[in-house]
Amino acid sequence: KQEVTQIPAALSVPEGENLVLNCSFTDSAIYNLQWFRQDPGKGLTSLLLIQSSQREQTSGRLNASLDKSSGRSTLYIAASQPGDSATYLCAPGDSGNTPLVFGKGTRLSVIA
Amino acid sequence: DAGVTQSPTHLIKTRGQQVTLRCSPKSGHDTVSWYQQALGQGPQFIFQYYEEEERQRGNFPDRFSGHQFPNYSSELNVNALLLGDSALYLCASSQVTLYGYTFGSGTRLTVV
Repeated sequence: KQEVTQIPAALSVPEGENLVLNCSFTDSAIYNLQWFRQDPGKGLTSLLLIQSSQREQTSGRLNASLDKSSGRSTLYIAASQPGDSATYLCAPGDSGNTPLVFGKGTRLSVIA
Repeated sequence: DAGVTQSPTHLIKTRGQQVTLRCSPKSGHDTVSWYQQALGQGPQFIFQYYEEEERQRGNFPDRFSGHQFPNYSSELNVNALLLGDSALYLCASSQVTLYGYTFGSGTRLTVV
């Protein structure tokens, strides 16, 4: 059974700082991993999807890496902004429509 | 291109009542999954519908049931509501031959 852990649970940083969010998962037999952002009381917005054949994906100031063999993924946010404040969730995925398994996420606060 | 649409956005029900939540998937998606997210927790998988049938189910009681219509839209029904059913209910759509999920904005259910 897949289990997902995200560290740290909460993070507060000053604006402009670069930061790394960590995601670990117990079953490395995955096809992809998706990072999501969630604003309070809202739905999930997909940020990045990394296929198992890839090691990195980039979108603007975001860069996600995936190391299947060690069961780890990281989300790097460059030059953080107050608008980045949200909860970030990772979800490793299996083939096709296998349901996603989530951890509790990392709650990020970027202070102006 | 419309994303995933959920209705209603909020509702309040009394213990013992029944509730129906609705979801329209993203254009081109044929699979709908439902998740329950309690406050401070990650989303938990309830069940998934494809070709109008329940294909996979998480660890939720039979009080939770669903339906998928020919146009791929879906309903989540919860009977005999309990206080513990209060949560954000998220709908996610996907395409069976592709990777990645798209989530809706969620329905906030409060049981009093």
